[in-house]
Amino acid sequence: AQSVSQHNHHVILSEAASLELGCNYSYGGTVNLFWYVQYPGQHLQLLLKYFSGDPLVKGIKGFEAEFIKSKFSFNLRKPSVQWSDTAEYFCAVTPSGNTGKLIFGQGTTLQVKP
Amino acid sequence: DTGVSQDPRHKITKRGQNVTFRCDPISEHNRLYWYRQTLGQGPEFLTYFQNEAQLEKSRLLSDRFSAERPKGSFSTLEIQRTEQGDSAMYLCASSSRNNEQFFGPGTRLTVL
Repeated sequence: AQSVSQHNHHVILSEAASLELGCNYSYGGTVNLFWYVQYPGQHLQLLLKYFSGDPLVKGIKGFEAEFIKSKFSFNLRKPSVQWSDTAEYFCAVTPSGNTGKLIFGQGTTLQVKP
Repeated sequence: DTGVSQDPRHKITKRGQNVTFRCDPISEHNRLYWYRQTLGQGPEFLTYFQNEAQLEKSRLLSDRFSAERPKGSFSTLEIQRTEQGDSAMYLCASSSRNNEQFFGPGTRLTVL
């Protein structure tokens, strides 16, 4: 069965620290990949997505992610986090050409200390 | 606001009661999804509509759950004979063909 694994469940960083959140998926075919963010009290929002092309994807608020097909990974990065990045981050995958249903990882809670 | 809306935002019910939730997608989106999220977990797919047709249902969706999307616009999710294990956040999302899903704020269900 398809699955998504996020290795870091809870991350605590100081402002200006660099961030990398791991995401691995299990699916042998072509996939579309997403990172969603949920700020406290708000609904899920799309941070960035990968469908095809350049495996380094840039999203909103300075986030980027790199798709490494050989490692089935789609890690999220940000060079310098801010207190406002405190949120829960979800990696998700959907097989290309599928109904589009998203398979989510269990999420990573990021706490940024001012 | 032209985003996805859900109603109610919170629902508290007693075990055994029936509940119904509503989702209004972004108007030009023909795809609509329901997910369920429990504490500490990512959302889990429940069901998918393309226009008014329900094209996929998860095995998570027991026969106590039913969803409709009459006329391909809003959707309802009904849970009959609720159980405590149904307590969760129920999320609705909509998309057009590019697969970028936009989520609503969710309905938090508490079954006592």
